[in-house]
Amino acid sequence: QKEVEQNSGPLSVPEGAIASLNCTYSDRGSQSFFWYRQYSGKSPELIMFIYSNGDKEDGRFTAQLNKASQYVSLLIRDSQPSDSATYLCAVIFRTGGFKTIFGAGTRLFVKA
Amino acid sequence: EAQVTQNPRYLITVTGKKLTVTCSQNMNHEYMSWYRQDPGLGLRQIYYSMNVEVTDKGDVPEGYKVSRKEKRNFPLILESPSPNQTSLYFCASSPTGALGTDTQYFGPGTRLTVL
Repeated sequence: QKEVEQNSGPLSVPEGAIASLNCTYSDRGSQSFFWYRQYSGKSPELIMFIYSNGDKEDGRFTAQLNKASQYVSLLIRDSQPSDSATYLCAVIFRTGGFKTIFGAGTRLFVKA
Repeated sequence: EAQVTQNPRYLITVTGKKLTVTCSQNMNHEYMSWYRQDPGLGLRQIYYSMNVEVTDKGDVPEGYKVSRKEKRNFPLILESPSPNQTSLYFCASSPTGALGTDTQYFGPGTRLTVL
């Protein structure tokens, strides 16, 4: 059974702080890794993806991937109240086609 | 405007009454997928399609059917809905899916209640 696990939170950080969101996955054959943000009552929207070991930065967001440890994280620098949302980790598993497994999500609250 | 549309957005039905939720995308995407979202469980993939006439099961396909006769449409069919299929459903599409790195674009969601 392929699994993707996230701490459900809620994670609460003050405005301007760094928020750290973590995700572990169970299958070493995983292809690529995505972070989505979902506001309450809305659809998920992509923040960024990563498929190579190391860090990938995009503005205030940094994704970190460690395939040996089966671990992917998302750092949000200078957190803003508008970052308050649920963050979903998604892993693409190559199984003939491409199956997508999402974690249950971590709720983030950024306090003004 | 590039988008994924779903209809209906809200549906209340009764056990056993066949229903179809439509999904359409105007981006010429090859890959389309259906998910259900339940509290505490996140998004779970029901079925996906790599291209026209090519579909495959996700993690929770039981009780659902799909078809992909045209590139733009990917309807989700519940032949005999049951209360445990009450959920929020999302359709998504991405350009190819083949590289495993494509962004998935999500529709607005369909909230289904089965009584």
